[in-house]
Amino acid sequence: QVQLQESGPGLMKPSETLSLTCAVSGDSLSNYYWSWLRQPPGKGLEWIGYINYNGNTYYKPSLRSRVTISLGTPKNQFSLKLTSVTTADTAVYYCALGTNGGSYYHFDYWGQGTLLTVAS
Amino acid sequence: SYELTQPPSVSVSPGQTAIITCGGDRLGEKYSSWYQQRPGQSPVLVIYQDNHRPSGIPERFSGSNSGNTATLTISGTQAMDEADYYCQAWGDSTVVFGGGTKLTVL
Repeated sequence: QVQLQESGPGLMKPSETLSLTCAVSGDSLSNYYWSWLRQPPGKGLEWIGYINYNGNTYYKPSLRSRVTISLGTPKNQFSLKLTSVTTADTAVYYCALGTNGGSYYHFDYWGQGTLLTVAS
Repeated sequence: SYELTQPPSVSVSPGQTAIITCGGDRLGEKYSSWYQQRPGQSPVLVIYQDNHRPSGIPERFSGSNSGNTATLTISGTQAMDEADYYCQAWGDSTVVFGGGTKLTVL
């Protein structure tokens, strides 16, 4: 059974850099692509980007200039860095494991999410 | 950029069939997935690659995708199915989600 657990600061000020970590446990983790997503309060889901077990990354184009996803050591965790946060980045942030089939991509397992509030 | 459009809300009586649609340009040429999100919970994958159910998802959930529309069908809808539902596809080299549909079981 795959389990994911996000951890993060909870509250930040505008212009700061967000760092989130996702701890992952379970079998066959290397078969998945490891993603970050977010959901502003009362709104829909937004994908941020993914990293695979080889360290290859891909980011949503509109966020690419501010986002870095990296693997941890050992490889049972991965992280998200988001620079220059604003109030628009207030959201529940989820980590998820996904299947990338080339022409398809879906998210098989999700963490419980961690709320980030950006306020001055 | 590629967009997916869902109706904001759908209502259904218990035991009836709920149909939630997701529209996108030539969506039938892509693979669609569907997620259920109950209030205060994380999303759960209920359909992937148009019409496959993950282990543990009840058989009353089914999916199809053709033309410009993907469809999630819930047969014999139960009160526990009341939730937000999101469609998702891979389009323009990025993951795209629909805006979500709130399913109300009256």
